[in-house]
Amino acid sequence: GAVVSQHPSRVICKSGTSVKIECRSLDFQATTMFWYRQFPKQSLMLMATSNEGSKATYEQGVEKDKFLINHASLTLSTLTVTSAHPEDSSFYICSASPRSGKGNTIYFGEGSWLTVV
Amino acid sequence: AQSVTQPDIHITVSEGASLELRCNYSYGATPYLFWYVQSPGQGLQLLLKYFSGDTLVQGIKGFEAEFKRSQSSFNLRKPSVHWSDAAEYFCAVARNRDDKIIFGKGTRLHILP
Repeated sequence: GAVVSQHPSRVICKSGTSVKIECRSLDFQATTMFWYRQFPKQSLMLMATSNEGSKATYEQGVEKDKFLINHASLTLSTLTVTSAHPEDSSFYICSASPRSGKGNTIYFGEGSWLTVV
Repeated sequence: AQSVTQPDIHITVSEGASLELRCNYSYGATPYLFWYVQSPGQGLQLLLKYFSGDTLVQGIKGFEAEFKRSQSSFNLRKPSVHWSDAAEYFCAVARNRDDKIIFGKGTRLHILP
């Protein structure tokens, strides 16, 4: 079963509103989580690295004031798309790196489809 | 910074034929390498990964990949493809087990009946 869960899996929001996507590690603690965005028929682009208890590190070109990332606990990171616009419609995927005990791999969530109308 | 190149955007093979998807990486040290598969509208599934040791890595669904340091390559192979293998395949690289994963642009695999 999934060890990293994203919620919601699909969301539709109105232009100008904000929407929050959650990423949870279900059976391990993750000091670091990563957020990716994937436009249709394109690759996954890393948006930011989410660090528990500290500020996220954003990739070049990603607006940190628009894509708010909070990693308040070792099992939860959230991505909030503020003042969403149709061009923000995309597939958002998170991944989490276990702190210990689950081997040397990174686990991906199942993704969240965001549609801004 | 590490990067990945997948030179083939689309690959078409006949069902039952062999498959090789190419991947070249750029990184100064020994990288962590991955192959993922993604079906339309779905999330990612890890096929296999290479961290160290034997350079021929076996994965799920009959896939294997070979790490060749001299060629900076990590090509994915399958001896006989099935129609269900039609999907997008991503090669990816990381600096270490806890670091961000950087993806190639992907190769779309089409299967002819």
